[in-house]
Amino acid sequence: QSALTQPASVSGSPGQSITISCAVTSSDVAGSSYVSWYQQHPGKAPKLMIFDVTDRPSGVSDRFSGSRSGNTASLTISGLQAEDEADYYCSSYISGTTVFGAGTKLTVL
Amino acid sequence: EVQLVESGGGLVQPGGSLRLSCAASGFTFTSHAMIWVRQTPGRGLEWVSGVSAAGDITYYADSVKGRFTISRDNSQNTVHLQMNSLRAEDTAIYYCAKELWQHHVPYGPFDYWGQGALITVSS
Repeated sequence: QSALTQPASVSGSPGQSITISCAVTSSDVAGSSYVSWYQQHPGKAPKLMIFDVTDRPSGVSDRFSGSRSGNTASLTISGLQAEDEADYYCSSYISGTTVFGAGTKLTVL
Repeated sequence: EVQLVESGGGLVQPGGSLRLSCAASGFTFTSHAMIWVRQTPGRGLEWVSGVSAAGDITYYADSVKGRFTISRDNSQNTVHLQMNSLRAEDTAIYYCAKELWQHHVPYGPFDYWGQGALITVSS
């Protein structure tokens, strides 16, 4: 069982906002301070969207934002667009290694 | 423009060996750790191995320790993953990726990824 727990799927309509959670279930609570989020479209490589919980790499739309409450990090996508439909993975440095969540499939209705 | 291009994937029998390579361009290669991550439908994304910017420190997941060897050639801007004693469970798409921070341990975040190389271990 992964130390990072994500919902299997979320959905939303164009223009809406959605939030994907990532619960750090490890006893290594510092792991929640280093959460990154990756977007992956089918057949493509993952793309870094958020790092260190809240920071956005240059070139990533400001519709994507990250936050944390306790041991749960969240990715929020506002103004949902069809192109946002993808798999989203959280990741963090936990107990001496990099761990990925199982992924959340975002469906844009 | 940063580019990472993997090569060397293919079909190999259980117990066999394969060497993956990743050619990097568009950034100061000698300043960044590099890593390999693999992906399967069943196990998702798995961090496999990393190498420091200088190439003097290597890191491995327990699942591949003793079987895989990561290395880099900073004169050629390439990173390699030598995979020995391959098992069926090593079947995956292997991605080469770049560590975001300069001179940092290779544990993320990873800001650029290659297109992936498919490794199939089967008889």
